[in-house]
Amino acid sequence: GENVEQHPSTLSVQEGDSAVIKCTYSDSASNYFPWYKQELGKRPQLIIDIRSNVGEKKDQRIAVTLNKTAKHFSLHITETQPEDSAVYFCAASMGNTDKLIFGTGTRLQVFP
Amino acid sequence: EAGVAQSPRYKIIEKRQSVAFWCNPISGHATLYWYQQILGQGPKLLIQFQNNGVVDDSQLPKDRFSAERLKGVDSTLKIQPAKLEDSAVYLCASSLVWQTNTEAFFGQGTRLTVV
Repeated sequence: GENVEQHPSTLSVQEGDSAVIKCTYSDSASNYFPWYKQELGKRPQLIIDIRSNVGEKKDQRIAVTLNKTAKHFSLHITETQPEDSAVYFCAASMGNTDKLIFGTGTRLQVFP
Repeated sequence: EAGVAQSPRYKIIEKRQSVAFWCNPISGHATLYWYQQILGQGPKLLIQFQNNGVVDDSQLPKDRFSAERLKGVDSTLKIQPAKLEDSAVYLCASSLVWQTNTEAFFGQGTRLTVV
């Protein structure tokens, strides 16, 4: 079945540094890749997404890249700030079902 | 717009008891998901509805879990009987249109503790 692997499970960076989180997916039919941020005790919230017809997308300090051949996609956060500290989840979805499968999460800590 | 509403926020039950969770999706959203999120893990899809029909329930433990979405709006998820390993946050999410990969909006979740 569909599977999404996410690495690393934890990531600590100094404020101002960049952070990169990587995911791989198993189903080549996946065509939508959202990233969610979940703060402690709160609901997951979408921060950026990318569709399979695009290789890269950027929104201010956040960017996502997609390599369909390798079935990899990554989240890049530049100029990290303490408020970026949270758990980040990648996900993959197939267009014909909208079935949204999540990765295991990355706990990002940004130290001042 | 109003978000996805879930109730209750917290529930503590003894093993072998039954429990039900309720979800009211964003108005007009056709797709509704129930996820189980065990502490420290990613959300695991339990069941997905398109209006009032089931699209996917392959990960739903059907011997104890059941879900329905009457009239294609509100949904309930039931566990009967509960086991200790069911302790988790149960998240409901909805998205606007099926088969177009639109954003899924999550509710606050119901934190279930089975003792």
